[in-house]
This record gives sequence, C-alpha cells and structure tokens, in this order.
Amino acid sequence: EAQVTQNPRYLITVTGKKLTVTCSQNMNHEYMSWYRQDPGLGLRQIYYSMNVEVTDKGDVPEGYKVSRKEKRNFPLILESPSPNQTSLYFCASSPYYHPDSGVTYEQYFGPGTRLTVT
Amino acid sequence: DQQVKQNSPSLSVQEGRISILNCDYTNSMFDYFLWYKKYPAEGPTFLISISSIKDKNEDGRFTVFLNKSAKHLSLHIVPSQPGDSAVYFCAASSDGSNTGKLIFGQGTTLQVKP
Repeated sequence: EAQVTQNPRYLITVTGKKLTVTCSQNMNHEYMSWYRQDPGLGLRQIYYSMNVEVTDKGDVPEGYKVSRKEKRNFPLILESPSPNQTSLYFCASSPYYHPDSGVTYEQYFGPGTRLTVT
Repeated sequence: DQQVKQNSPSLSVQEGRISILNCDYTNSMFDYFLWYKKYPAEGPTFLISISSIKDKNEDGRFTVFLNKSAKHLSLHIVPSQPGDSAVYFCAASSDGSNTGKLIFGQGTTLQVKP
C-alpha cells in the first residue's frame, strides 16, 4: 500500500530534550516536506527536500532540523524543543519534480504526529 | 501575512443539500489550487485541484470554481453526505516558486447533519 508513515504518532516531552520524528514514504517520491498545523493558522511548511541531500527552509524553520540521506526517509529533528513547538506535525511527499517539466503540486500526507512540549 | 484565507471556520449543512466552501487568496502569481480534506487523527487527503487556465473542475459530487479576477475559489459538494464531515483546506502554489510549495488556508470544518 502506497503510504507516508510517521513515528511516533503521539509524543509528550520536556523542554530541551532532543527528539526526532521519523517520516518514511514507499512511493519513490523525490519531494518531501514537513508541516505543522496550529489552530487558526492552517498548515505551515517547516522544511522541504527536493531530492536526496537537498533540503531547504520553509516558512517556519526556526528550532527544527531535517536530513535527507536516502530518498524514502525525511526525519524532523528538534534539538532543544520548547513549548511553542507544541503542535500537530505532518510529513508529506510528492512525485518527481523537475523545473523544466513543471511542478507537481499534489502532496500525500502522513497521519500526523501530535507533539506536546512541557 | 496570510496569502490564502478561509474566512469561515465552520459550516453546517443538512444531508442532501449543497455545501459551499470558500477560499480567497492575495498573491496573483498563484496558478494552481487544491482542496484537501482532513478527518480527525488522519493526515490531509487530496480532493480536487484546478489550474488557473480553467474556471471550473468537476469530480463526481465535488466541483471547484475559480474566479481569478476576484482571487476567489470555492468548493461545491452536491449532494452533501454525513461522511463529508471533515476539515477542508484550500491550498495554492505558483510555477514561479519552483519549489513545489503549497500555501494552505486555515481550514473550514464542515458538518453535514443527517
């Protein structure tokens, strides 16, 4: 089954304790992205990756890191979590994007990770 | 600055009637628009999209209308069913960004009453 998986689905942690949220897709997609969803703000992009070893900042990258060592995985790292990072996080992937042939906009989302930082 | 806005946080309709969800945008460079549906405890799922070269796109019970001059798009669901109850997000993007980036609205919660 084609899917994007995230782990853990729920996490409660304390300020300053490093954590990693994993994301994996089995669709061989080039493009992957992380979003956070907050009440009244919709989904905001944190980081994205257009290919292996290529990552770039989205709209709200502060306090987050990502890596893309292999195509299928795109972990989100919070080196020193703070309470304002309490949110619902979604990983998404999209088929191959090439600037000459046009952008593929449809993204496939994982089930979400609800993070609480106390 | 919110470039994509869904000004109605919630909408309630009766089963069988039409649901109309609205979305406004400010960036005239946006040229592709999508609607996503989200159930609780699940990720958003793609519903329907429209390119700026069109003003209407239909897929079964779902139709998206685009009014470029007004920078407005809407999603019509006819007839509405209880299973359509979910949060609906509109999203926009532009070729010029070359990033595949989507800008999302805040979402509208649709409740369809039996």
